Amino acid sequence: GAGVSQSPSNKVTEKGKDVELRCDPISGHTALYWYRQSLGQGLEFLIYFQGNSAPDKSGLPSDRFSAERTGGSVSTLTIQRTQQEDSAVYLCASSYRGDQPQHFGDGTRLSIL
Amino acid sequence: DQQVKQNSPSLSVQEGRISILNCDYTNSMFDYFLWYKKYPAEGPTFLISISSIKDKNEDGRFTVFLNKSAKHLSLHIVPSQPGDSAVYFCAASARGSQGNLIFGKGTKLSVKP
Repeated sequence: GAGVSQSPSNKVTEKGKDVELRCDPISGHTALYWYRQSLGQGLEFLIYFQGNSAPDKSGLPSDRFSAERTGGSVSTLTIQRTQQEDSAVYLCASSYRGDQPQHFGDGTRLSIL
Repeated sequence: DQQVKQNSPSLSVQEGRISILNCDYTNSMFDYFLWYKKYPAEGPTFLISISSIKDKNEDGRFTVFLNKSAKHLSLHIVPSQPGDSAVYFCAASARGSQGNLIFGKGTKLSVKP
């Protein structure tokens, strides 16, 4: 499949642990986004990568959240010292350019015990 | 404060009839609007978009209407099919902000056979 791939699909961890979520965007897409969806809510923007430009981190809720995009392709979202309110579905999307429709992966469902 | 609002959490329609999903926005800088469809345990799927220079865009059974003066857009699905049953998200961006989307909370559409 040529879609956006995310791993793991589900992650359960204890409060206080660090987690890493991975996203493989569609090949050739220069823009990559992370969103999260909490129960009963819409998607909340977290961070945006466009090519080699500095990422737009304006949506990250705290300094416990960080993301990297290596080689302009794969991205990793890291949450340190997880809290119960971090429980959500984390969705990654990519687009050919920043002004094109975004295509989403199926997300990682994160549960913090 | 929500910049993108979908005031109907759910909508039920008979198969073959028209489904109309509504969305309101508050930010006059938004100039690009999209509709996404989401099935359970899957990522959102792009349906249709519209730029603020247009007031209508049509793609098969899906038509999006934009009323800039009212800051309102709607998605029409006709004829509705049972496979259209899903959660529909309205999203908006100001392309000068490089494409991160602001989402509504979604409307769950049920199309009954």
